[in-house]
Amino acid sequence: GQNIDQPTEMTATEGAIVQINCTYQTSGFNGLFWYQQHAGEAPTFLSYNVLDGLEEKGRFSSFLSRSKGYSYLLLKELQMKDSASYLCAVPGGYNKLIFGAGTRLAVHP
Amino acid sequence: ETGVTQTPRHLVMGMTNKKSLKCEQHLGHNAMYWYKQSAKKPLELMFVYNFKEQTENNSVPSRFSPECPNSSHLFLHLHTLQPEDSALYLCASSQEAAALAKNIQYFGAGTRLSVL
Repeated sequence: GQNIDQPTEMTATEGAIVQINCTYQTSGFNGLFWYQQHAGEAPTFLSYNVLDGLEEKGRFSSFLSRSKGYSYLLLKELQMKDSASYLCAVPGGYNKLIFGAGTRLAVHP
Repeated sequence: ETGVTQTPRHLVMGMTNKKSLKCEQHLGHNAMYWYKQSAKKPLELMFVYNFKEQTENNSVPSRFSPECPNSSHLFLHLHTLQPEDSALYLCASSQEAAALAKNIQYFGAGTRLSVL
C-alpha cells in the first residue's frame, strides 16, 4: 500500500527559506506531486518529480530521492502569500492520487 | 481560476434532506474525481469517472451517489447523510485517468458541507 508522511505545521519568517519534507512508501513509483492549497481555495499544482534530483521553478524547488523515499519542497524568499497548506501526493495505481495530510505553513513578518 | 467550478460553495443540510453538489470543468478533460477533505486528514478519493464511466468507487457509502452525464459535468447526490459527513468536498479533473505518471489533476474550490 501507500503511506505518506509530512509535518503538520511549520512557521517561517518573511524573506527566509523553508523546506517542507515528505516521506513516502509505495508499492510502485510513478512520480511525486506537490500541491499548494490556500484556505478556502482549490489545491493548485506546484511540481512533479519522477527522477532523482532538484527541479527549480522560480522561488519554489522540489527535490526527490527515490532510494530514500523522500522529497522536499523548498520555498525561497518567502512572502506572506506563501502561507498555505502544501500537499505531497503520489500515484497510487490506476486513477488514484494518494495525498499526505498536508503541511500548514504560516509566514510571519 | 483553475477551470473547475463547483457549486454551491457552502451547504448546510439536515440528515433527512436530499441535495446535490455540482462540478463543471472547462478544460476539455476526460477524467473527473470527487474527493473528501476533512480537517487534519489527507484528501480521500471517493469516485473517479473516465470518459463518463465510473472507474473507481473507493468504498463510499451508498448515501453518496455520483453522476457523470458528460465529460464536463459531475454531480454528487447526497441523501440521509450523517454529521460525520461534514467536510469539504473537492472535485478535480485531468486529461484522463491512467497509469501514466504525470496525470496532473486540477481542482475546484470545493463545497463546504455541514450536516446537522
